[in-house]
Parts: sequence; C-alpha cells; structure tokens
Amino acid sequence: VQLVQSGAEVKKPGESLRVSCKGSGYIFTNYWISWIRHMPGKGLEWMGRIYPSDSYTNYSRSFQGHVTFSVDKSINTAYLQWSSLKASDTATYYCARRLSGLNGMDVWGQGTTVIVSS
Amino acid sequence: DIQMTQSPSSLSASVGDRVTITCRASQSINRFLNWYQHKPGKAPKLLIYAASSLQSGVPSRFSGSGFGTDFTLTISSLQPEDSASYYCQLVYTMPVTFGGGTKVDIK
Repeated sequence: VQLVQSGAEVKKPGESLRVSCKGSGYIFTNYWISWIRHMPGKGLEWMGRIYPSDSYTNYSRSFQGHVTFSVDKSINTAYLQWSSLKASDTATYYCARRLSGLNGMDVWGQGTTVIVSS
Repeated sequence: DIQMTQSPSSLSASVGDRVTITCRASQSINRFLNWYQHKPGKAPKLLIYAASSLQSGVPSRFSGSGFGTDFTLTISSLQPEDSASYYCQLVYTMPVTFGGGTKVDIK
C-alpha cells in the first residue's frame, strides 16, 4: 500500500502547477485523500480533501479559492493544482489517505517540495 | 471551528525519560483525536488513532489517552530515534485541524 507523489518543482510567481499523488495496493476509491501543507519551520496544515469515488471535496477556508483538488480514478491518481502560484506557496505538500470516522491518516505520500521564486 | 491547543511547543528530555504531550480541544470531540510523528525530510507517521488505539507497527512505548476535550500522548521511555515533532489532529468535524506541534529533542 503506498501513495507516490510527483517530484519537486521550482516555479515563478504567477505560474500554474499540478502535483500528483498515485495510490496503489488498495481500493483507491474507498479512501479520502487529504492534502497537507508544511511550510519551512512551521506546523502541519490541512488543506482539504477529496473522495475519489465521486470527487466530492472539502476545502479548508484558508485554501478555498486558491487551490483545486481533482482525481482521475481510472489511474488511481489525485491532484493538487494552482492556477497562479505565489511566493508564499513555497512548502512541502503531502497527500494522505484516510477512511472516515475514528480513523487516522495511515498512509502518506513522500511529499512534494514546491519552491516559488522569481 | 474547534480550536486545538497543544503543549508544550518544545521540550528536551534524556533517553529513558517519560515524556507527555497534551492537546486540549475548545469543545468536546469524543475520541476523534489522532497523533502523528514528523521527522525532517520524512512524511508524517500515524502513531495513535481514536485517542488511544496504537497504530500497527508503532512501538508500545507510545500511548494515548483522553476523551472529550483533554488528550495526552505519552512516550514511556524516550529513545534517540524519538527526536521529532509531534502533532495532534482532530477529525471530529470539518475542518480537520492539527495542533501547533511539539518539538522533542534528546538531551
């Protein structure tokens, strides 16, 4: 069971970006996929989640309108997308799976580092 | 939104020490509380789910307790490899919320 994320990115402000998270070894559509941000020297922040079965999403208010979650369940892949990056988006981004209820996020991607600099 | 207050923000302890980290929720969250360990350059790791259930493969020196608003993560005998940041996480309602984190150093 694993989640494998796409590689590190270096982008300029205003550019677009899509980060991927591919699941394997389990039924991809049975688990929520959350996205978590970790900025240098800061704590973990939950950005939101998507349910691959029907693409239902919940966004944290802090990220609503700035990022978009999507999924291609034919290839067991979830995506995190920006249409216009800012320098403040520089961070490592993780995807993680979770059932609902009392369960935790038990499988995480390895993280994707995004650097936004002019 | 429910607020999570985690303390302390950092601590330094010796190998073999008992270490306790606490999280307090601004309202009752039943047992919807998880704990994670995060080391630099690595993905976070689930330690405890549902406040007190040990995730498979996690050493038994880690334990969790609490119900309602007050929760505790305990490391019964600190080991060198436990140097990391630890986070509580509430999953009672949306939004999912992480505590501010506790950085644990080995003296």
